[in-house]
Amino acid sequence: GENVEQHPSTLSVQEGDSAVIKCTYSDSASNYFPWYKQELGKRPQLIIDIRSNVGEKKDQRIAVTLNKTAKHFSLHITETQPEDSAVYFCAASEGNGGTSYGKLTFGQGTILTVHP
Amino acid sequence: KAGVTQTPRYLIKTRGQQVTLSCSPISGHRSVSWYQQTPGQGLQFLFEYFSETQRNKGNFPGRFSGRQFSNSRSEMNVSTLELGDSALYLCASSVQGDGNTIYFGEGSWLTVV
Repeated sequence: GENVEQHPSTLSVQEGDSAVIKCTYSDSASNYFPWYKQELGKRPQLIIDIRSNVGEKKDQRIAVTLNKTAKHFSLHITETQPEDSAVYFCAASEGNGGTSYGKLTFGQGTILTVHP
Repeated sequence: KAGVTQTPRYLIKTRGQQVTLSCSPISGHRSVSWYQQTPGQGLQFLFEYFSETQRNKGNFPGRFSGRQFSNSRSEMNVSTLELGDSALYLCASSVQGDGNTIYFGEGSWLTVV
């Protein structure tokens, strides 16, 4: 089955700096890669996702890049703010046409702390 | 549009008991999946339902089961509770479950004592 590795497990940055979180996956059939942000005691919330026919996607201060050949994808947050502090999870799925219905395989999470 | 709604939010059970958790998906979403979240194991997929049929199942023992009703609402049941079942149980919904965006509910916090 799919296996997703996420690094680093903790990341501490100063406000205004950039933060990068990296994930690798094992199943070449995976073609949908969402990122979720989870604040303490709250639900995981989708912040951005990318599909295998796209190499990069941006949404304001957040960007995700995908390298299907190397089987890795990354989350980039620029101009970090204290409210970006949370746990971030990457995930992978076969997506459209696959058989992994509703199944996301998650990385272990990255605790991001942004210091004012 | 209302989000994914889960009940109850918090519950405490004794070892050996059973528990039923409920989930109402976003209106129009027909796929409901369930996840277990623990500090040690992270987020792990339990199962997924679509049109009242289980289409996918994770690596959990048979004590974990679920079902979906004709209105897409779903329940999951855990029988013969063990201490290790203490976790946050998250329900998620999507339009069809095959690559559509998955939205999570706030979860049900289960403590087994």
